[in-house]
Amino acid sequence: GAVVSQHPSWVICKSGTSVKIECRSLDFQATTMFWYRQFPKQSLMLMATSNEGSKATYEQGVEKDKFLINHASLTLSTLTVTSAHPEDSSFYICSASISGLEYQETQYFGPGTRLLVL
Amino acid sequence: SQQGEEDPQALSIQEGENATMNCSYKTSINNLQWYRQNSGRGLVHLILIRSNEREKHSGRLRVTLDTSKKSSSLLITASRAADTASYFCATASGYSTLTFGKGTMLLVSP
Repeated sequence: GAVVSQHPSWVICKSGTSVKIECRSLDFQATTMFWYRQFPKQSLMLMATSNEGSKATYEQGVEKDKFLINHASLTLSTLTVTSAHPEDSSFYICSASISGLEYQETQYFGPGTRLLVL
Repeated sequence: SQQGEEDPQALSIQEGENATMNCSYKTSINNLQWYRQNSGRGLVHLILIRSNEREKHSGRLRVTLDTSKKSSSLLITASRAADTASYFCATASGYSTLTFGKGTMLLVSP
């Protein structure tokens, strides 16, 4: 149980285009989803926290107009990298926590999406 | 900002040996969690220890927490080549949000 999927697993795009990444909780409802970014051999940096039906909360330094997050349902959140540039190339990972206060301590991670912007 | 700092940054051992990784943090926490990441993959949750717990076991994993020293350790006993991965500690100061450390890269040679 508690499986999270991401699509696509990798994407190559030209500079200036927009890329959408999907994060789905397959067998549970996720009140909260998180988006992280990870550069090679570095740790995960939280970009934003997304609650179903409300606006995402972005971490300091993360441009909300560049990284659009939509959490339309309890099983789906999307991250759109708008007007992507080479410096946006990274590994993007989402996670989800199960509804219910006592379960929110654990996050279940997707397999990640590797983005390369040429 | 990062909360946890793992030590060592990299660890290379032989199969059968034990591997110990340490994590230090700066602020008070509700719980501390350890995750594993294989190269280029997502994270797998290993174990969670709450601030009122001192030690926890799960299979070959043993985690300790010392809130007075703001530190935790992860011990993997009888390591296997398949344990090769990066290991991250993450602290939770409130519900939901995790702050990750820089990770320890573990290499277990056959």
